[in-house]
Amino acid sequence: NAGVTQTPKFQVLKTGQSMTLQCAQDMNHEYMSWYRQDPGMGLRLIHYSVGAGITDQGEVPNGYNVSRSTTEDFPLRLLSAAPSQTSVYFCASSYSRRLGRDYGYTFGSGTRLTVV
Amino acid sequence: AQKITQTQPGMFVQEKEAVTLDCTYDTSDPSYGLFWYKQPSSGEMIFLIYQGSYDQQNATEGRYSLNFQKARKSANLVISASQLGDSAMYFCAMREPQNRDDKIIFGKGTRLHILP
Repeated sequence: NAGVTQTPKFQVLKTGQSMTLQCAQDMNHEYMSWYRQDPGMGLRLIHYSVGAGITDQGEVPNGYNVSRSTTEDFPLRLLSAAPSQTSVYFCASSYSRRLGRDYGYTFGSGTRLTVV
Repeated sequence: AQKITQTQPGMFVQEKEAVTLDCTYDTSDPSYGLFWYKQPSSGEMIFLIYQGSYDQQNATEGRYSLNFQKARKSANLVISASQLGDSAMYFCAMREPQNRDDKIIFGKGTRLHILP
């Protein structure tokens, strides 16, 4: 099925460990983003990309790195996990905004990360 | 400054009644897009409805309609004839214009409970 594929769905890390959350889309979307969702905080933008080779920081980028070597993939790296990074992470993609109807994001199913 | 404000953290509504979820936004740009997403307890993010800032009519999608009051910067979601399956978290979101890299920002959400 076409869409946004996120892996893993669940992960437990120890403080200081590193890991990569994978995100892939097969809809040829130019725009990809990573959000974290915390209770009472809504979805906060971590990093985003407007196309292959182009990334930028969102609202809460500290502790996370991204790269976009292909249109399809947009991995999120935690270099040294901290308990404050315990959250649900969503990857999302969309076409860049064009004239006319905007269908917004297609979301992945999310990754529930716990850092102990 | 918060750009999307959802003032109702939680709501309880009797089944079959209509529901209005409030959303106000802040932007100085004339061109923008507004979205509503639903997040049921299973966690996935479901696109509900979109309103472009230049759209002359309020958007409708089945039981969902968007009460767009541009001068008041208000984009309330109206659910007609609510059902038990409408119990979920609802997020209002805005896509910023292209000169701000097409980011979509989210409000903190409203948790809707439909009572039988």
